[in-house]
Amino acid sequence: EIVLTQSPGTLSLSPGERATLSCRASQSVSSSYLAWYQQKPGQAPRLLISGASRRATGIPDRFSGSGSGTDFTLTISRLEPEDFAVYYCQQYRNSPYTFGQGTELEIK
Amino acid sequence: QVQLQESGPGLVKPSETLSLTCTVSGGSISSYYWSWIRQPPGKGLEWIGWIFYSGTTNYNPSLKSRVTISVDTSKNQFSLKLSSVTAADTAVYYCARVYGDYVPSGWFDPWGPGTLVTVSS
Repeated sequence: EIVLTQSPGTLSLSPGERATLSCRASQSVSSSYLAWYQQKPGQAPRLLISGASRRATGIPDRFSGSGSGTDFTLTISRLEPEDFAVYYCQQYRNSPYTFGQGTELEIK
Repeated sequence: QVQLQESGPGLVKPSETLSLTCTVSGGSISSYYWSWIRQPPGKGLEWIGWIFYSGTTNYNPSLKSRVTISVDTSKNQFSLKLSSVTAADTAVYYCARVYGDYVPSGWFDPWGPGTLVTVSS
């Protein structure tokens, strides 16, 4: 099973700042088999990024994904108030498909 | 636009079987893979398994001995059964479509809103 480790656990930033979230895999998930989701309280996760860097339909371009192999990054270039949420990465290189433990992005 | 909705009992007794149904609207269940994912309160996400509309399944080994996922294409629904439940199975259960370039390997989109199932006597 591929284990995904996200860091930091909590990130405290202010609106307008840049956020950098990390996801590290215990083995290579290639350059294409990683997704990112955003989850707000009481809601289902929402797909942000697939294939490590491809934004989902309707996702603002301030969200970007990068990385390959075992190290991946989700960057939010300029935080908006609605971006404060929990973010999860997910690998689909191997079954069982696994998620990271999440990074909580909170308002400073 | 495809939408998913989970339904089923919100309370299940220990040792009994949890049963949930996901109804797909706005599109056909055919030609896609569909998954169940769960999230214990305050915790992260765990993939349970997927089913193809033909009935082919794949389960997470951690739950495989207790899980059955089935599909009813005539009703545009798929279902989850989890047997011998304990308090550790208390979670919000989500259904989702598996999507991607190399299905069944793929991401999950869209998701249902989720339903909380509590295991308690």
